[in-house]
Amino acid sequence: GDSVTQMEGPVTLSEEAFLTINCTYTATGYPSLFWYVQYPGEGLQLLLKATKADDKGSNKGFEATYRKETTSFHLEKGSVQVSDSAVYFCALSAGGTSYGKLTFGQGTILTVHP
Amino acid sequence: GAGVSQSPSNKVTEKGKDVELRCDPISGHTALYWYRQRLGQGLEFLIYFQGNSAPDKSGLPSDRFSAERTGESVSTLTIQRTQQEDSAVYLCASSYFGTSTDTQYFGPGTRLTVL
Repeated sequence: GDSVTQMEGPVTLSEEAFLTINCTYTATGYPSLFWYVQYPGEGLQLLLKATKADDKGSNKGFEATYRKETTSFHLEKGSVQVSDSAVYFCALSAGGTSYGKLTFGQGTILTVHP
Repeated sequence: GAGVSQSPSNKVTEKGKDVELRCDPISGHTALYWYRQRLGQGLEFLIYFQGNSAPDKSGLPSDRFSAERTGESVSTLTIQRTQQEDSAVYLCASSYFGTSTDTQYFGPGTRLTVL
């Protein structure tokens, strides 16, 4: 079945550090890939997405590129801020008979210190 | 505009009781999803609605769980004879079409605690 594997956290960084959160997936066909973020005390919200191979999703300084050859969708940011502290979830939607339902990774807790 | 809303935000119940969780999706969204998030884990898919029908119920963990959607709007997730392992945050999401490229918009969740 479909699955998503994220790097284990928690991840602790200093402000302005470079961030990478690894995400790999297993799916039949050509899924869409998503990063969702959950800020403290808030609901889950879309950070970025990519719907086909080699697409790059970007938002708020975060980027992720859909790599079909390595089945990966790693999240990166060049300079993190304290306000980026949150839980980050990688997810896929396989489509077809999966009807767009999301399969999530376990989540990665990011803490950024001033 | 208004986002996805869920009620109650918190529910504490005793083992063996029935509970109902409500979701109001974004107006005009045809697809509605329920997910469960257990402590320290990722989200698990429970059920998907397209309009008022549920073509995918594959994630419901047991026959104690059921859900319905009426008027292509509000959905209710019912858990009968609750067990302690049902304790989790239950999240509802909606999207325009229910395709793999759609963005799903999530509600704030209902935190269920079974004592």
